[in-house]
Amino acid sequence: DGGITQSPKYLFRKEGQNVTLSCEQNLNHDAMYWYRQDPGQGLRLIYYSQIVNDFQKGDIAEGYSVSREKKESFPLTVTSAQKNPTAFYLCASSTTYPGQGARTEAFFGQGTRLTVV
Amino acid sequence: AQSVTQLDSHVSVSEGTPVLLRCNYSSSYSPSLFWYVQHPNKGLQLLLKYTSAATLVKGINGFEAEFKKSETSFHLTKPSAHMSDAAEYFCVVSAPDSNYQLIWGAGTKLIIKP
Repeated sequence: DGGITQSPKYLFRKEGQNVTLSCEQNLNHDAMYWYRQDPGQGLRLIYYSQIVNDFQKGDIAEGYSVSREKKESFPLTVTSAQKNPTAFYLCASSTTYPGQGARTEAFFGQGTRLTVV
Repeated sequence: AQSVTQLDSHVSVSEGTPVLLRCNYSSSYSPSLFWYVQHPNKGLQLLLKYTSAATLVKGINGFEAEFKKSETSFHLTKPSAHMSDAAEYFCVVSAPDSNYQLIWGAGTKLIIKP
């Protein structure tokens, strides 16, 4: 089955720890994204990647880092610098990055719920 | 600047009655528009999309939406609500004036009463 797999589904972090959220896709998509979702709000873009070995900051990148060493994988690290990391994190991919002129929808994983304890 | 407004944070309907979720957008150009659905603690699933073809777009699970340029609206409808439709719905716009970034509405929670 083609799709996007996020792991783990639930993650608990102690104050001052870095944690890494996994995102893998087998859709052969070039573009991948990380969003943060808080209750009562729409999705906010953290980072995106148009192609392997390239990524760009989104609207709320502070306290987060990413890498894109393989086309299929786009892990997100929530660092200790992120002051309020408790949220639902969604990874997505699309065939191309929309800014390249293609009007394309995004496909989503099932999300990771991160809680600071 | 591009934006999208979902006019209701919550909509409550009885099972078997029509559903209307309202979405207005602003863009200087012809946009692409999408509706996504999210069930509790799940990822998002594309319901339907408008990309400058037919203005009435049919999606999955009996949903449809109509693009009305004069009203800058893309409201989501369904003739008869089912209990399984209870979820959160997001309207999304993409257009040249924001370099085709996906701009998300705040979401509308649909509640179905038995």
